[in-house]
Amino acid sequence: AQSVTQLDSHVSVSEGTPVLLRCNYSSSYSPSLFWYVQHPNKGLQLLLKYTSAATLVKGINGFEAEFKKSETSFHLTKPSAHMSDAAEYFCVVSDPSSGYALNFGKGTSLLVTP
Amino acid sequence: GAGVSQSPSNKVTEKGKDVELRCDPISGHTALYWYRQRLGQGLEFLIYFQGNSAPDKSGLPSDRFSAERTGESVSTLTIQRTQQEDSAVYLCASSFSGTSGIHEQFFGPGTRLTVL
Repeated sequence: AQSVTQLDSHVSVSEGTPVLLRCNYSSSYSPSLFWYVQHPNKGLQLLLKYTSAATLVKGINGFEAEFKKSETSFHLTKPSAHMSDAAEYFCVVSDPSSGYALNFGKGTSLLVTP
Repeated sequence: GAGVSQSPSNKVTEKGKDVELRCDPISGHTALYWYRQRLGQGLEFLIYFQGNSAPDKSGLPSDRFSAERTGESVSTLTIQRTQQEDSAVYLCASSFSGTSGIHEQFFGPGTRLTVL
């Protein structure tokens, strides 16, 4: 079985300050981990993915995430938030047990204030 | 095509009616997935097709839900005798292969289903 827990349902940051969105996972296999972003009335977009290569993964728009097996975490970070980063962010795990269907967390809503 | 397309974009139906949702995957993608997103929630996996193999139906919430796929092309998700709890956005995704976790799943824009 596999699952993800996003530790914060809402995160609010000021523009120009760092972003940290937290995610913990569980998997009986070596999982693939993803972060997806969903802007209002837009489709899901892949930010970055981890598939057992480098543990620090760089994605689009300045986001990155670090896979920490000992902590079963895959937190998403960005050094400096931009207003356009306001969106819903989903941490996702997949493994062979589900045919690589994606198992989504409940999401974290990121608010960026001026 | 340029991306995954879904139709209709919006569907309003009355409780008890049947609905059919369509997904056109990206050409060449052998894997196709259906997900459901209820208001304020993450996505729930419904069903997965990989090439000509038998689909993985483990996520379907009840026997009112079914899906078909013709070869490696169009898929339809059918919900019979719709209930109000079926109201959600239904998302389709496709990828090159479902046999490896490294292939990105590309999502369609979704069909917003409202059951009155």
